[in-house]
Amino acid sequence: DTGVSQDPRHKITKRGQNVTFRCDPISEHNRLYWYRQTLGQGPEFLTYFQNEAQLEKSRLLSDRFSAERPKGSFSTLEIQRTEQGDSAMYLCASSLVEVNYGYTFGSGTRLTVV
Amino acid sequence: AQSVTQLDSQVPVFEEAPVELRCNYSSSVSVYLFWYVQYPNQGLQLLLKYLSGSTLVESINGFEAEFNKSQTSFHLRKPSVHISDTAEYFCAGIINNNDMRFGAGTRLTVKP
Repeated sequence: DTGVSQDPRHKITKRGQNVTFRCDPISEHNRLYWYRQTLGQGPEFLTYFQNEAQLEKSRLLSDRFSAERPKGSFSTLEIQRTEQGDSAMYLCASSLVEVNYGYTFGSGTRLTVV
Repeated sequence: AQSVTQLDSQVPVFEEAPVELRCNYSSSVSVYLFWYVQYPNQGLQLLLKYLSGSTLVESINGFEAEFNKSQTSFHLRKPSVHISDTAEYFCAGIINNNDMRFGAGTRLTVKP
């Protein structure tokens, strides 16, 4: 297993465009998480899935954001009508249901909205 | 209220000096605590974790952290730092047995 993979590593988009990011978790991990990290800040929780069910969403996840994990494996995070304030690093992590073992993070997707 | 608080945003130290990065947690955080390290343009890597048992936990690269319940702290220490330890360090805890919440991070800069 190569760990958690995120694609693309970098994305530059014009304001108003839609973008989609993909995350492939560790295959044995039931849980998948999305975080957003802005410069100089710690990761902020966005949402998480257990298998294909989305169990929690942060208030940070506005109506323009949607996440899916249709088959309980990979996940996508879509941002519609991007705004400059969406510029950030989007991190994906996965874990076992027993979260106390910790999360494994991907390298992130850096989004720049111009 | 902030669940996990890192008291120092930046810590500059000289090479081979000792360092302590401070972390305090609130009562909403379970006693599963973690330190992650992030190098530039990379994701977070688990440095060490406290789940139960011995309150002193160690990493393979010389860092250690001590869980202190009475002071609700989980400070990270290293007796002698290297240039390669320069990175951002995040303290984190599990909320409601569901998801992990992070502190704002401490930038450790090791100078020659």
